[in-house]
Amino acid sequence: EDQVTQSPEALRLQEGESSSLNCSYTVSGLRGLFWYRQDPGKGPEFLFTLYSAGEEKEKERLKATLTKKESFLHITAPKPEDSATYLCAVQAQGAQKLVFGQGTRLTINP
Amino acid sequence: EPEVTQTPSHQVTQMGQEVILRCVPISNHLYFYWYRQILGQKVEFLVSFYNNEISEKSEIFDDQFSVERPDGSNFTLKIRSTKLEDSAMYFCASSEGWAGELFFGEGSRLTVL
Repeated sequence: EDQVTQSPEALRLQEGESSSLNCSYTVSGLRGLFWYRQDPGKGPEFLFTLYSAGEEKEKERLKATLTKKESFLHITAPKPEDSATYLCAVQAQGAQKLVFGQGTRLTINP
Repeated sequence: EPEVTQTPSHQVTQMGQEVILRCVPISNHLYFYWYRQILGQKVEFLVSFYNNEISEKSEIFDDQFSVERPDGSNFTLKIRSTKLEDSAMYFCASSEGWAGELFFGEGSRLTVL
């Protein structure tokens, strides 16, 4: 069964303090790994897709990386507006469904 | 920017009642989905829909659930006889292709009493 585990569950940082969020996964043939951002009471907002180990994607202060077993979302010099829950999801080969992790709730204090 | 819209934003219903949640996907998207998120839990896949038929569904999506695209713009999720455990946020999503770059709506919160 495909599984996604994210750590930590919650992370509190000071503005400007860089850190990384982890997503460990097991999947029967990875088609893609996805990062989403979710604000309270809202739907997930697409950030990145990664398809193969070694791939990296960047967007503003965020950078996502992928290995054969995990993905990291690096946040550099975060701002308070980066506070949200970050969700990781995997899609197996031949499947349409995304399997989501529990998410990491990130809080950036000014 | 195109977006997925969902109605209602919040619905309260009595156990055993039928509920219909509505969604307008992004206009040029061909694949449509329903996911749900019980409070404090993971986002869970329910069903995907393409070319006017279900293309994939989860174990959660039993006979109590159905989906329909009644016209060229709407996509609906019907729950025939709601249970307490159906209380959740229901998200509609759409994608241009058979890929995971899903665009989600704001969600419909269903409360079953």
